[in-house]
Amino acid sequence: ETGVTQSPTHLIKTRGQQVTLRCSSQSGHNTVSWYQQALGQGPQFIFQYYREEENGRGNFPPRFSGLQFPNYSSELNVNALELDDSALYLCASSNLGLAGRTDTQYFGPGTRLTVL
Amino acid sequence: QKEVEQNSGPLSVPEGAIASLNCTYSDRGSQSFFWYRQYSGKSPELIMFIYSNGDKEDGRFTAQLNKASQYVSLLIRDSQPSDSATYLCAVNTGFQKLVFGTGTRLLVSP
Repeated sequence: ETGVTQSPTHLIKTRGQQVTLRCSSQSGHNTVSWYQQALGQGPQFIFQYYREEENGRGNFPPRFSGLQFPNYSSELNVNALELDDSALYLCASSNLGLAGRTDTQYFGPGTRLTVL
Repeated sequence: QKEVEQNSGPLSVPEGAIASLNCTYSDRGSQSFFWYRQYSGKSPELIMFIYSNGDKEDGRFTAQLNKASQYVSLLIRDSQPSDSATYLCAVNTGFQKLVFGTGTRLLVSP
């Protein structure tokens, strides 16, 4: 167990709806990264949060947004859901170390989102 | 060219054999390299990381890195049926994100 928790475990939404996914980072970690993993693919980087600010973003549209709280937990929000948003959403906990380089990332159990 | 490439497999090996998993990457500036194991329906679990050229051993696992040739590999000695999973190679190409390959599915038969 990594100590990273995510909720909910599974979620079913319909196209056009909005969803919020939650993540609690491992104790002692200050950085949370979010990834999307479609079936049969490797995880794709969505964005990273450090000290409550976005610290890097992948190739995802603005309807994917996030927050980080003072206790380093984080939320991923997706607006106007599309069918292609169906995937496993992974939260990864780490520390931002020397020279701003992200240390080893440890994944939570993920949230399986299905968009109908 | 994909940033991180892996053979999707499946790679089938008998129990007790050595499984060899390979990964190539395109960004010469990449600094750190990771192997994650992912069982079906579960999240990725870190197995090993390697930063320097050469070999790094941890139990039955050995990671090998060759920056000049831009490849990283994972050897699993004495493979067990419980090692059957998808193995993801991940590369830290910058300061924030990990770039993953699509994974190699390993099947270890009893």
